[in-house]
Amino acid sequence: SYDLTQPPSVSVSPGQTVSITCSGDKLGDKFTCWFQQKPGQSPVLVIYQDNKRPSGIPERFSGSNSGNTATLTISGTQAMDEGDYYCQTWDGMTGVFGTGTKVTVL
Amino acid sequence: EVQLVESGGRLVKPGGSLRLSCVASGFTFSIYSMNWVRQAPGKGLEWVSSFSSTSSDIYYADSVKGRFTISRDNAQNSLYLQMNSLRAEDTAMYYCVRGEMSFDYWGQGTLVTVSS
Repeated sequence: SYDLTQPPSVSVSPGQTVSITCSGDKLGDKFTCWFQQKPGQSPVLVIYQDNKRPSGIPERFSGSNSGNTATLTISGTQAMDEGDYYCQTWDGMTGVFGTGTKVTVL
Repeated sequence: EVQLVESGGRLVKPGGSLRLSCVASGFTFSIYSMNWVRQAPGKGLEWVSSFSSTSSDIYYADSVKGRFTISRDNAQNSLYLQMNSLRAEDTAMYYCVRGEMSFDYWGQGTLVTVSS
């Protein structure tokens, strides 16, 4: 099976930049999405096709994907960005989610 | 406004069956691939199954293959998940999700608890 590995947690100060990595074998050859999930809420798509932002997602969210690693970067992090973040890709016709990263804004 | 409303989750005994439903509105349901994604309490997201729009292709996670069946009724704008031979490890919030290359809209979820 195909695995996507993320760091369990990261912390960031308000206004600073934080990057979350997602590692998988030749992940750069696939498209990656990123989801934000706040407690008690459904996930929200924040990045699709590696680096595209859906309508309504702030510009401070950006993504990249190369080699074995996809990265979600939040610039000028705000308190409202706190939550769990998951990467996701497709291995053939099987959907795969990353292990998830808890972002804490200190 | 896109809306996905799931229903059918409840407490069920191991070995039992359950049918989840998802009613979609606010978009042309028939032209979109639809999916089920689940999340066990306190755990991460797990893709369960997909039903494509164009080719009617159906895919399942290995963990549910042979036990779960996804279906859709485009006339009723509805997606379903028939769950048989349920196990404790199937306990989760089940989300109905729109999209193929990107899961762009999610429902609020319906909770399935498998316990004796």
